[in-house]
Amino acid sequence: DIVITQDELSNPVTSGESVSISCRSSKSLLYKDGKTYLNWFLQRPGQSPQLLIYLMSTRASGVSDRFSGSGSGTDFTLEISRVKAEDVGVYYCQQLVEYPRTFGGGTKLEIK
Amino acid sequence: QVQLQQSGAELMKPGASVKISCKATGYTFSSYWIEWVKQRPGHGLEWIGEILPGSGSTNYNEKFKGKATFTADTSSNTAYMQLSSLTSEDSAVYYCAREPWFAYWGQGTLVTVSA
Repeated sequence: DIVITQDELSNPVTSGESVSISCRSSKSLLYKDGKTYLNWFLQRPGQSPQLLIYLMSTRASGVSDRFSGSGSGTDFTLEISRVKAEDVGVYYCQQLVEYPRTFGGGTKLEIK
Repeated sequence: QVQLQQSGAELMKPGASVKISCKATGYTFSSYWIEWVKQRPGHGLEWIGEILPGSGSTNYNEKFKGKATFTADTSSNTAYMQLSSLTSEDSAVYYCAREPWFAYWGQGTLVTVSA
């Protein structure tokens, strides 16, 4: 199975600042069609996960442009600019390049 | 709009089976894969597998073969997941979600296994 690794954030973030969340894959998520099959989700406390980004860098419908995704075949970053209180929760990345689909362990975002 | 409405919380005895439902509205149910995901505190999100309602095709995570069984009823636009031989390790919140990209999620069904 593809192993997805996410780091913890070292400190709570101040509202208005930017933050980067990293995600690494044990295998390239770049498929032969030239697309990179990585999703990002936010799970707010007590809620279901919400899709933020798919295909590594495409924002899902209705998602703020403060969220952006980037990366290579195995290393990925979710950037959140001008962090707001509503961004609090756990961020997960997920690979869909092969079965079984696997998720990272999550990165918790806290606001000071 | 696309919505996935899951059945309510279940309290089950060890060894029993439980069937969770996921009713879909707002789109052509038969045309999109329904995904099933498990979440336990401290264990993150685990993909259980998926079903394409129109054909009944399924893909299972090897880890959940023999544990989970997916079915779908296109007449009622409802997908089901049955979990068998329940143990405490099956106590979790179970989500259904819809492809592509897991863009839509149900509200989750809490299954508690306790004697």
